[in-house]
Amino acid sequence: QMQLQESGPGLVKPAETLSLNCAVSGGSVSTYSWNWLRQSPGRALEWVGHISASGNTKTSPSLKSRAAISLDMSKNQFSLKVTSVTAADTAIYYCARSLADDAFDVWGQGTMVTVSS
Amino acid sequence: QSILTQPPSVSGAPRQRVTISCSGVTSNIGNNVVNWYQQFPGKAPRLLVYYDDLLPSGVSDRFAGSKSGTSASLAISGLQSEDEADYYCAAWDDRLNGLVFGGGTKVTVL
Repeated sequence: QMQLQESGPGLVKPAETLSLNCAVSGGSVSTYSWNWLRQSPGRALEWVGHISASGNTKTSPSLKSRAAISLDMSKNQFSLKVTSVTAADTAIYYCARSLADDAFDVWGQGTMVTVSS
Repeated sequence: QSILTQPPSVSGAPRQRVTISCSGVTSNIGNNVVNWYQQFPGKAPRLLVYYDDLLPSGVSDRFAGSKSGTSASLAISGLQSEDEADYYCAAWDDRLNGLVFGGGTKVTVL
């Protein structure tokens, strides 16, 4: 059974870069598409972006080109970087696998990232 | 403010049927499939309905999704205390070129 596990710093300073990894076990990142989503405390889910197995990426326009997603097949993981972070980027970040039409059927447990000096 | 509109909360007595609406426009729900997620406090969301009305393996058939035009609905029949959670709808938006979510609906069992 496939499992996803997020990892990365829980605290990032304003204006710096947030970096997270999502390790995939029980399957290969060379199939399906892989996503990042986030949820600010008490708020709704927000899609951050995705990367296909072939490496094509798409990120949410709301992040204004600050987000980048990459795939590392040698480590069977994918990653997220968000530059120039502000307090508004404070959220629980989830990685998830998507089937066709963006149905997220496997999720990581989520990792809390706080942006604060 | 979310692109897809959901009621903040719905409630019902045990064994009743409740419905959660999700309203959008042509560029999202009108042109693309709707997926629904269930989320318990402190937990990751779970896929509940995909492709408008299909249930993933393991999801109770008490849940049913539907779509008409630019609106979608999630119905929960035979409401149980274990159904108390937040529910989110999501769809791709062609105009925004991104995936959009509803604001979420909290279901309370009275």
